[in-house]
Amino acid sequence: TQLLEQSPQFLSIQEGENLTVYCNSSSVFSSLQWYRQEPGEGPVLLVTVVTGGEVKKLKRLTFQFGDARKDSSLHITAAQPGDTGLYLCAGAIFNKFYFGSGTKLNVKP
Amino acid sequence: NAGVTQTPKFRILKIGQSMTLQCAQDMNHNYMYWYRQDPGMGLKLIYYSVGAGITDKGEVPNGYNVSRSTTEDFPLRLELAAPSQTSVYFCASSSIGTNTEAFFGQGTRLTVV
Repeated sequence: TQLLEQSPQFLSIQEGENLTVYCNSSSVFSSLQWYRQEPGEGPVLLVTVVTGGEVKKLKRLTFQFGDARKDSSLHITAAQPGDTGLYLCAGAIFNKFYFGSGTKLNVKP
Repeated sequence: NAGVTQTPKFRILKIGQSMTLQCAQDMNHNYMYWYRQDPGMGLKLIYYSVGAGITDKGEVPNGYNVSRSTTEDFPLRLELAAPSQTSVYFCASSSIGTNTEAFFGQGTRLTVV
C-alpha cells in the first residue's frame, strides 16, 4: 500500500496547456515536498510546503498544501517542453520521507 | 560541492552474489536514507538512520542490511542478490527539522541476473 497516492500517473499534453497533479493521503505530514527527476538522475527539490493551506509559486508552477496537511497539488500554467520529467511528491513524518508513485509528464512542442 | 556521493553507478550481479553499495555525504547531515526506485515508479524507503550507530527499517527492508559507523557514511549491503532486487538505488541525506529537504545521490543502477 502506498502512503501517498499521486495522480495522474501519466500526462501527455501540448505546449501551452495547463495541468494539475494531485498528491493525496490519509496521513498528516509535518511537511510536503515536490521533486522533479530527470532520467538517470536523482530527484531534485522544487519546493517544500509546511503550513496547512500554504500556497507557493515558482515561476509557472503553483504548489498548494491542504488545510489538514494530508494532500497537495502542483499546477503548471502554460506548460513548456522543458517541463517534461517525472514529478514526485514526498510527505515527511519525523524526518522520514514517503514518496508518491510519480507523475510522468510529457509536454509536446 | 560533493553533496551525496554513491558508488558504483552501475553493477550487474549474479543471483546469490553479495555486494555493498557505498554512500557518503559531506554536509554533516544527521539523517541518511536508502531508497529503491523501480522503472517509472516512485521511491520506496529501504532503511534510514538518524545518526551514527542508529538505523531502522523502512517500507521494504527484506534482503538488505545497513550500518552507520560514522556520520558521513551509510553503506547498503545485499547478502544474497535476487532478481527482485533489480532496481535503481538512491541514497539521500537531510538535516534535522520540519522544513528540511532530502538531498539525493545520482543513484546506483543494479541488475541481478
